[in-house]
Amino acid sequence: GENVEQHPSTLSVQEGDSAVIKCTYSDSASNYFPWYKQELGKGPQLIIDIRSNVGEKKDQRIAVTLNKTAKHFSLHITETQPEDSAVYFCAASRTYSNYQLIWGAGTKLIIKP
Amino acid sequence: NAGVTQTPKFRVLKTGQSMTLLCAQDMNHEYMYWYRQDPGMGLRLIHYSVGEGTTAKGEVPDGYNVSRLKKQNFLLGLESAAPSQTSVYFCASRQTTQNTEAFFGQGTRLTVV
Repeated sequence: GENVEQHPSTLSVQEGDSAVIKCTYSDSASNYFPWYKQELGKGPQLIIDIRSNVGEKKDQRIAVTLNKTAKHFSLHITETQPEDSAVYFCAASRTYSNYQLIWGAGTKLIIKP
Repeated sequence: NAGVTQTPKFRVLKTGQSMTLLCAQDMNHEYMYWYRQDPGMGLRLIHYSVGEGTTAKGEVPDGYNVSRLKKQNFLLGLESAAPSQTSVYFCASRQTTQNTEAFFGQGTRLTVV
C-alpha cells in the first residue's frame, strides 16, 4: 500500500535560519500533499498544501515544493522563529481512496534562540 | 464555532475495562476519522466514516469499534482495554469534495494500566 517516509525525525536550527523537511511517497497516483503542524498538547493543524498540478507554493515564510517524477515533496521554513517549534507532519492522498491521508512519522523542529 | 470536540481529554483505564470516546463536529462534514498517535509512529488510522450510518476499517482497527449514528458524531469504543491501547487518540473531519483540509480535535490521552 501507500507509504510516506519523512526525514529527519528531529531538526534543530538556529533562530533566523531556514529549515527543510523532506517526504517521499510510494503511490504515483497520489495527488494531494498537505503539511500539518502540531503544537504541544494540540491536534495537528494544516499549514500549507500542494496539489499534483503545481510544483511550488508559498505562503509568507513557508513554502512547499513537489517533484512528481522523484515522488518527493519538501517543506521549507525561512527566517525561523521560536513559535515555529513544533512537530510537523507530511501526508499524501489520492482521489478514489475516500481521500484517506497517509501520514509521515513526523519531524520535531527545535528552534534554538 | 467549536470545530471538532473530543470527550474526554484524559482517561485512565484498568486492563479489561471498556470506554467510549466521543467526537463531535459542527462543520457538517461527511468524512470523520479516528487516529492513534504513538511516539515515532505518526498518525495511524483506526476507523473512518464517509457518512452517517457508514464505517470502515483503517490501518489498525483491532480492539476498537465505531459508530456513526448521527452525522455530527463519531464514537470510538474499546470493549476490553489493553495496555497496548495506551496512546493519544485524535478525531478528525473533512469535507467530501476533492482533497481538503482535515480538522482535528485536541486529542484524548488514554492510559491503560
